[in-house]
Amino acid sequence: GAGVSQSPSNKVTEKGKDVELRCDPISGHTALYWYRQSLGQGLEFLIYFQGNSAPDKSGLPSDRFSAERTGGSVSTLTIQRTQQEDSAVYLCASSLFFDRKLGGANVLTFGAGSRLTVL
Amino acid sequence: GENVEQHPSTLSVQEGDSAVIKCTYSDSASNYFPWYKQELGKGPQLIIDIRSNVGEKKDQRIAVTLNKTAKHFSLHITETQPEDSAVYFCAASISRSGATNKLIFGTGTLLAVQP
Repeated sequence: GAGVSQSPSNKVTEKGKDVELRCDPISGHTALYWYRQSLGQGLEFLIYFQGNSAPDKSGLPSDRFSAERTGGSVSTLTIQRTQQEDSAVYLCASSLFFDRKLGGANVLTFGAGSRLTVL
Repeated sequence: GENVEQHPSTLSVQEGDSAVIKCTYSDSASNYFPWYKQELGKGPQLIIDIRSNVGEKKDQRIAVTLNKTAKHFSLHITETQPEDSAVYFCAASISRSGATNKLIFGTGTLLAVQP
């Protein structure tokens, strides 16, 4: 598609349940990012995929969080045993690896996000 | 790792006035500094960016300045309009041929332009 697509747009779940959030990046974008935006907070980096390289997982807050990127395209963020503090908007973004036309800038295109509410 | 601080967290201006948002970064190796605008219910969108080999960049009513020595950069919006009302995020990363690092964002500034 023309943009980054995320699903579901809204998810309400009970504490302790597992959730999966999906991201379809822009075709041809080799880099994919997950960020978390809590109410009134900034964009917290979670994980970064680049091509076939090992992902940068340095932002994942706990071992309950994991992400996969299959075939270098679609990504799934999984949160196990959800807690109330996991409630947030989860944003996915994609970019070209190294855009020479932009002087090497990695311009991120964000999806609209998945709003997660844990009751 | 990189840490980006952003001020103020909220900013209210009258239509037509200027708005300035400031950010500082910690990693002197960072060389790419974009600004993103997030409207309600949408993902952030790039509005302007600057690389470390220039000190200022303008695009119509918006401009960004960079002081590498002090490790801070600022967004300037002139002649503000109600449609400028949004949350603005600064970010920093290291970007070089063959490698692109993750973007680290500031905590955001909620700009309200009063008509």
